[in-house]
Amino acid sequence: EIVMTQSPATLSVSPGERATLSCRASQSVSSNLAWYQQKPGQAPRLLIYGASSRATGIPARFSGGGSGTEFTLTISSLQSEDFAIYYCQQYNNWPPPFGGGTKVEIK
Amino acid sequence: EVQLVESGGGLVQPGRSLRLSCTTSGFLFGDFAMNWVRQAPGKGLEWVGFIRSKTYGGTTEYAASVKGRFTISRDDSKSIAYLQMNTLKTEDTAVYYCARALMWFNYGPFDYWGQGTLVTVSS
Repeated sequence: EIVMTQSPATLSVSPGERATLSCRASQSVSSNLAWYQQKPGQAPRLLIYGASSRATGIPARFSGGGSGTEFTLTISSLQSEDFAIYYCQQYNNWPPPFGGGTKVEIK
Repeated sequence: EVQLVESGGGLVQPGRSLRLSCTTSGFLFGDFAMNWVRQAPGKGLEWVGFIRSKTYGGTTEYAASVKGRFTISRDDSKSIAYLQMNTLKTEDTAVYYCARALMWFNYGPFDYWGQGTLVTVSS
């Protein structure tokens, strides 16, 4: 079973700054990697799929990269509404685990 | 507009059963695989299981933690997915989300989610 590891657990960033989140798979998942955003009391929202394709309606400041076992989610200029928890998920192999999440908080 | 609405959650004693429903609208339900994902209080996301579309046999797969206790089914005529949970344990306490997989995919990525329904297993 593939294990997804996200780092850091918490990222403190000032509004307007760039944030880079990492996700590592214990074995290759090709480009079958998604990123989700979750705010308190809300369901997760799909941001990125196929490692780098933005989902419908997602702003261009969100970008994804990587393949194989190493992936990144970059938020180019953090807005107030971007402070949330971010999860990665691989869907290359069954079962499809999520990473433990990265909380992006206001510095 | 695509909508997914879970229902059926609540307080249940350990060892008892509960059935959750995911009522959908705004898309051709029968064309999509449907998944269940849960989130224990203050914890991360845990994939529970999914059901393929009838085109791909309507078969199911489950996480090891629920296999043999949980069953996912679907009623394409009503556009509803179900999660039957038997022999519930305290560690099953969580918000349960249903989620739609992207077209042609099974267990991710999930482009639409319901708002979730809370299941509390406690005596």
